Amino acid sequence: QSVLTQPPSVSGAPGQRVTISCTGSSSNIGAGYDVHWYQHLPQTAPKLLIYTNNVRPSGVPDRFSGSKSGTSASLAITGLQAEDEADYYCQSYDSSLSGSVFGGGTKVTVL
Amino acid sequence: EVQLVQSGAEVKKPGESLRISCKGSGYTFTSYWITWVRQMPGKGLEWIGRIDPSDSYTNYSPSFQGHVTISADESISTAYLQWSSLKASDTAMYFCATHTLVGVSSFDYWGQGTLITVSS
Repeated sequence: QSVLTQPPSVSGAPGQRVTISCTGSSSNIGAGYDVHWYQHLPQTAPKLLIYTNNVRPSGVPDRFSGSKSGTSASLAITGLQAEDEADYYCQSYDSSLSGSVFGGGTKVTVL
Repeated sequence: EVQLVQSGAEVKKPGESLRISCKGSGYTFTSYWITWVRQMPGKGLEWIGRIDPSDSYTNYSPSFQGHVTISADESISTAYLQWSSLKASDTAMYFCATHTLVGVSSFDYWGQGTLITVSS
């Protein structure tokens, strides 16, 4: 059971908007720690998609956006494309564990 | 360009020991922590622990404390993850990663992964 809770899967048609939630607690997201998001394709290394809640690294399309409020964070993908089909993970820091924590991951399927 | 290159896949038997490596290049190795992450078959990412290569300070996830050891050799810009006695449940892909963004705890560079298979 992951410290950060994500839905196991979300799906959408090409062009649609999907959102992925990441729910934490008072020892991680709720304590003010930043949330980061990764895209992970099979047999590859995870790729940083969003850092510090809502900042896109260079080269990441602006179709990807992040937000954070209270004990939760969200990743939104607008204009869904076939190439967005992947697993997505949130990550933060947890003070009670004194280390980083990941969400359980969300599989995005493009219908 | 920052690169992390990991050692190759391993097939081991339960009870055997193992050390896998992660070599950094393109940056000053002692400047950034190295983190290790596990992905078991069909499962999500799990944070194992991290090391500060400048002084070898480590901290571990409680889930992994006592079962693995993280170390580093700054003279060859390499971090290690090791087991003294493998279990079948250690079968997984292991990634190393680092974060070069100042004041940010995200992992912006990753190794390619090392697949460990433990089977009798």
